[in-house]
Amino acid sequence: DIVMTQSPDSLAVSLGERATINCKSSQSVLNSSNNKNYLGWYQQKPGQPPKLLIYWASTRESGVPDRFSGSASGTDFTLTISSLQAEDVAVYYCQQYYPGLPWTFGQGTKVEIK
Amino acid sequence: QVQLQESGPGLVKPSETLSLTCTVSGGSISSYYWNWIRQPPGKGLEWVGSIYYSGSTNYNPSLKSRVSISIGTSKNQFSLKLSSVTAADTAVYYCARGSAACYECSVTWGQGTMVTVSS
Repeated sequence: DIVMTQSPDSLAVSLGERATINCKSSQSVLNSSNNKNYLGWYQQKPGQPPKLLIYWASTRESGVPDRFSGSASGTDFTLTISSLQAEDVAVYYCQQYYPGLPWTFGQGTKVEIK
Repeated sequence: QVQLQESGPGLVKPSETLSLTCTVSGGSISSYYWNWIRQPPGKGLEWVGSIYYSGSTNYNPSLKSRVSISIGTSKNQFSLKLSSVTAADTAVYYCARGSAACYECSVTWGQGTMVTVSS
């Protein structure tokens, strides 16, 4: 099974500053047939279901503010919030959804205001 | 706009079978992946399993011997059965579906239903 490891477990960032969350997969989630990384990022606020922010590692879901961006380098993935807003306080999860393999989430990263 | 709604018993006895249904409204179940995800109280997300609209399934290996997901196109529903439950299966259970841009993603979610395993 593919293990997804996020870092850090939590971080505190000042309003307007950059927040960076990392996610590492234990094996590649790149499908060479379509050159897509099968990796998504979700945001979950208390009492709410998760919300998809990013898919294919770097494609922003419709309606998601452009301060959220995703990038990939091999088996390392990054979610960046370029200018943290108060409404971005949440727990963020990465998930791999590689076809034919069990799908897995990272353990989550809690983002707070410093 | 498609909406998903989970339903089922909120309390299940140990060793019994947990059965949940996700009803899809505002859209057809005849496309995309349909997913079950759960979240124990105060913990992270755990993928339970998924079913493609054609009927092929993919399950979490840690649950594989106990889990079954099925799809009912005529009723626009899909279902989860988890047998031999223990307290460790206590969680909020979410159903979710993909989209045209990402079949496998969980784009649209239900609000979740809390299931407690207790005698």
